Amino acid sequence: QSVLTQPPSVSGAPGQRVTISCTGSSSNIGAGYDVHWYQQLPGTAPKLLIYGNSNRPSGVPDRFSGSKSGTSASLAITGLQAEDEADYYCQSYDSSLSGPWVFGGGTKLTVL
Amino acid sequence: QVQLQESGPGLVKPSQTLSLTCTVSGGSISSGGYYWSWIRQHPGKGLEWIGYIYYSGSTYYNPSLKSRVTISVDTSKNQFSLKLSSVTAADTAVYYCARVKGYAPSNYFDYWGQGTLVTVSS
Repeated sequence: QSVLTQPPSVSGAPGQRVTISCTGSSSNIGAGYDVHWYQQLPGTAPKLLIYGNSNRPSGVPDRFSGSKSGTSASLAITGLQAEDEADYYCQSYDSSLSGPWVFGGGTKLTVL
Repeated sequence: QVQLQESGPGLVKPSQTLSLTCTVSGGSISSGGYYWSWIRQHPGKGLEWIGYIYYSGSTYYNPSLKSRVTISVDTSKNQFSLKLSSVTAADTAVYYCARVKGYAPSNYFDYWGQGTLVTVSS
């Protein structure tokens, strides 16, 4: 089991808004460490989507946004498109023996 | 644009040592400022961070793999390498190399290689 907990799957219709949660604890997100998000399209390597909780690298559409509060973080995708169908992973620092860098178990986004 | 490319055997026998190399282009490992990391993904599963190295040779490994992992760097070739000893079928995975960016400890992985599947089987 992952130190960071994500729902196994979420789904939404084109044009809709979906959110993916990432729940941690006092040794990672709750301790104030940043959360980062990655998108993994089928058969490809992960790609950095959000860094430092809410920052988008150059080239990432503003349909993607991130937030953090307490021991959790969220990735929101608005105006859902078919090309967004992918696996999404959160990542943070963990000060326990699991660390230092840990990932969530991943969430499969299905565009209906 | 930084690019990373993994290379190495796709098949390793149980109890042997897995060896992979990551070649970096578009940027110099020896320029500093970044860690260089290995991450793996078991088939159909999530991501697991293995360890990192700095151009100086300093390393840090995942505690769960530390006894079997060695990461080294060759700045003359702009490469860094992974060795994982005493492999079992549980080490079958896609192995990625990646550049680590950001301010410790909240670092993140901004560039990734395409990944290479390593299968452990006799």
